[in-house]
Formats: sequence, C-alpha cells, structure tokens
Amino acid sequence: DIQMTQSPSSLSASVGDRVTVTCRASQSIGSSLNWYQQKPGKAPKLLIYAASTLQSGVPSRFSGSGSGTDFTLTISSLQPEDFGTYYCQQTYSAPLSTFGPGTKVDIK
Amino acid sequence: EVQLVESGGGLVQPGGSLRLSCAASGFTFSSSWMSWVRQGPGKGLEWVANIRPDGSKKNYVDSVKGRFTISRDNAKNSLYLQMNSLRAEDTAVYYCARDGSVTQFDCWGQGTLVTVSS
Repeated sequence: DIQMTQSPSSLSASVGDRVTVTCRASQSIGSSLNWYQQKPGKAPKLLIYAASTLQSGVPSRFSGSGSGTDFTLTISSLQPEDFGTYYCQQTYSAPLSTFGPGTKVDIK
Repeated sequence: EVQLVESGGGLVQPGGSLRLSCAASGFTFSSSWMSWVRQGPGKGLEWVANIRPDGSKKNYVDSVKGRFTISRDNAKNSLYLQMNSLRAEDTAVYYCARDGSVTQFDCWGQGTLVTVSS
C-alpha cells in the first residue's frame, strides 16, 4: 500500500502569512494527489486535485504543486476562515486511495 | 445544488448490522462513481468502498471485505452501505462522496455517526 505522510502535523500562523503544507508519498504517484480542507464537525472540502488544479469555487490563494513523491499545498495569504485540518490524498492506486494524517492549521 | 444526505447511523452492538443510506440530488447520480469514506473519532480519513455508475463493479478496503456491501438504486438516486459483523474499530462518521473524473471526492455528505459498543 502507498503510505502518505504530512508535515508539519500542526502549525499556527498569522493572517496574511504564507503557509506551506508538505505531503510525501512512499512511492512515486505521478500527479495523482488531491488536497482537502476539513473544519471541525464538517465534511472535508476538495481544494486541489491532480496536484495543481484548483477546484471550482476555491479561492486563488490556495495552490498546489509537486509530482512524484513530494507535494506542497500553499496558502499565499492566510485568511481567518482558513483554519482547519488539511489532508492530502493519493489516487494513484485507486480505487484504494489513501489519505495523509492531516495538518492542523490554527490562526494566531 | 449538488447535495448528498446520509442517514441510518446509530449505536449498535459488536457483531450487529446497520444499513446506511445516502440520498443524492442536483447531479446525474446514475453517471457517477460513488464512495463511502469514514473517519474514526479524532482520526483521519479512510476510503471504505466505491461502486461503478451501473453498479456492476464494487471495490472495498481490505478491513471491510466480506462484512460490508455497497450498493445503489439509480432510480431512487440513492447509495447504500450494508454493514455486518460490526466491530468496535468500525466506529466512525461515515460520509458518502461523489468520485470525480480523477477519483477526487468533489462532493461530500454531512456524515452519519456509527458507534459500535456494548
């Protein structure tokens, strides 16, 4: 099975900061990588798919990059509503897709 | 508006059964792969099962094979998850989700909580 890791596990940043979350796969997955945001008590929300394609309706301050084993989610200017936990998901081995453990983002 | 609404969760004893339902609206359900994804208390996300639009192919994570069955009724725009021989480790919020063109989950329900406990 393909294992996913994320770093950091949590971070605290100020409004306006540039925030970067990293996701690493245990083997090359091409560009088969999605990013989700989840707020407490809510369902996850798709932000980025195929490593770098912004989901419709998602603010342009979110961006994704990477291929192979290393991927990055960047929030160019952190907003108060961006708190939550961010998960990466590999779909290279679909239907058996696997998620990373999550990165919790708090607003200072 | 694309919408998924789950129901059927609750408290069940170990070894018991439960059937989850997911009502879909706002999109062509009969053309969409659909999945169940779960999240244990305080834990991350785990894909559980998915089903082809016509219901002819189904896939499961190893931990539920032989115990869970995914199905759908396209005439009713509904997705189901029959869960048998439930274990404590099946305790989770269960989400139904639509599979997008590259297996991204682009629409999620609000989730339904399943608690397996005596």
